[in-house]
Amino acid sequence: SQTIHQWPATLVQPVGSPLSLECTVEGTSNPNLYWYRQAAGRGLQLLFYSVGIGQISSEVPQNLSASRPQDRQFILSSKKLLLSDSGFYLCAWTTRPLNTEAFFGQGTRLTVV
Amino acid sequence: AQKITQTQPGMFVQEKEAVTLDCTYDTSDQSYGLFWYKQPSSGEMIFLIYQGSYDEQNATEGRYSLNFQKARKSANLVISASQLGDSAMYFCAMRERLRNSGNTPLVFGKGTRLSVIA
Repeated sequence: SQTIHQWPATLVQPVGSPLSLECTVEGTSNPNLYWYRQAAGRGLQLLFYSVGIGQISSEVPQNLSASRPQDRQFILSSKKLLLSDSGFYLCAWTTRPLNTEAFFGQGTRLTVV
Repeated sequence: AQKITQTQPGMFVQEKEAVTLDCTYDTSDQSYGLFWYKQPSSGEMIFLIYQGSYDEQNATEGRYSLNFQKARKSANLVISASQLGDSAMYFCAMRERLRNSGNTPLVFGKGTRLSVIA
């Protein structure tokens, strides 16, 4: 069966420190991968989207970057965190067909202090 | 421009009553898919229901049904017989078919917080 692993679950980082959040998918190949951010009590903002290895689409210019070094691995990074990077980060995957729902990781709650 | 609009930041419903959560969308494509997700306070995202643009029947899944009005570009979620456990954030989302390759990413509305009152 397909599963998605996202870690860590919570993270407290000082301003100016680097960030690396990792997401891996099991049980499927060539998935579409997503990173979303959710501010407290708000909607899901699409940050990055990938349809294949090394293919990254950035939806919102910001202090973050994403990489897809392997088919089922998606990494969200920052060289220097800002206070505004705080939020709930969700990784998700879908398959190609239009009618397939997205499956989400458990999320990472990032607090930048 | 917003692709998905959810105009109700918060809704209250009495237990056992039905509630409708609004969603309108913006697309010029003929082929697209509409999704509803539930997010409890734990943060997990739970898929509820899907409606395809070419589906003639409104989608139903247990107590969830989707009131799909294509001409109005609306896809409202109806929850019947509300339960206390239905209290959560609800998100409407859409994917569109790209003409030459694949689909657009899944984009979400800002959500509606539903509170079920005993």
